[in-house]
Amino acid sequence: QSALTQPASVSGSPGQSITISCTETSSDVGDYNYVSWYQQHPGKAPKLMIYDVSERPSGVSNRFSGSKSGNTASLTISGLQAEDEADYYCCSYADSGVFEGVFGGGTKLTVL
Amino acid sequence: EVQLVESGGGVVRPGGSLRLSCVASGFSFNDYGMSWVRQAPGKGLEWVSGINWDGASTHYLDSVKGRFTISRDNAKNSLYLQMNSLRPDDTALYYCVRRRYLGTHYYFDYWGQGTLVPVSS
Repeated sequence: QSALTQPASVSGSPGQSITISCTETSSDVGDYNYVSWYQQHPGKAPKLMIYDVSERPSGVSNRFSGSKSGNTASLTISGLQAEDEADYYCCSYADSGVFEGVFGGGTKLTVL
Repeated sequence: EVQLVESGGGVVRPGGSLRLSCVASGFSFNDYGMSWVRQAPGKGLEWVSGINWDGASTHYLDSVKGRFTISRDNAKNSLYLQMNSLRPDDTALYYCVRRRYLGTHYYFDYWGQGTLVPVSS
């Protein structure tokens, strides 16, 4: 049972927007302001998409955005494209230290 | 171009040992902390271990403490994970991951392609 809870799956049609939530469900998570999101296509390594809750690394499309309200962080993908179909993981840090990453269980995004 | 290339995976029996390696290129290796993150078949990501830039500080997932040892050789641009007393639930693809300070904290910004460790009798 992860300390960060994500829906198992979400889906949307091309051009639509979808949101994936990530809820802190355990006191084992440290400061929940340090949230990141990773995209993983089948058979590929994860890719950093969002850091510091809402910041995009250079090269990541501005169709990807992040936000947080209370103990729930969210990843929104607008203008959905077929290539966005992938697994998405949120990540924060354990209360025990800044090295110990804590990942959510992952959400499979299906583009219909 | 940043590259992280893992090696050393392979089938190992329960109770056995294995040493994973990761060779880094395309960046100044000794400027970055590094981590190992694993993914069991069909499952999610799980942080396993981390090490700071000079190897002086190491950190472990509770379930691997006392069994796994992370280390690095900055002269060889290499990261290692010595895994002892392996168990079937250690079966996973092990990723070598760079840890970079972005904004206000550290994040996993580059990942290798992983090396597979099946633990089975």
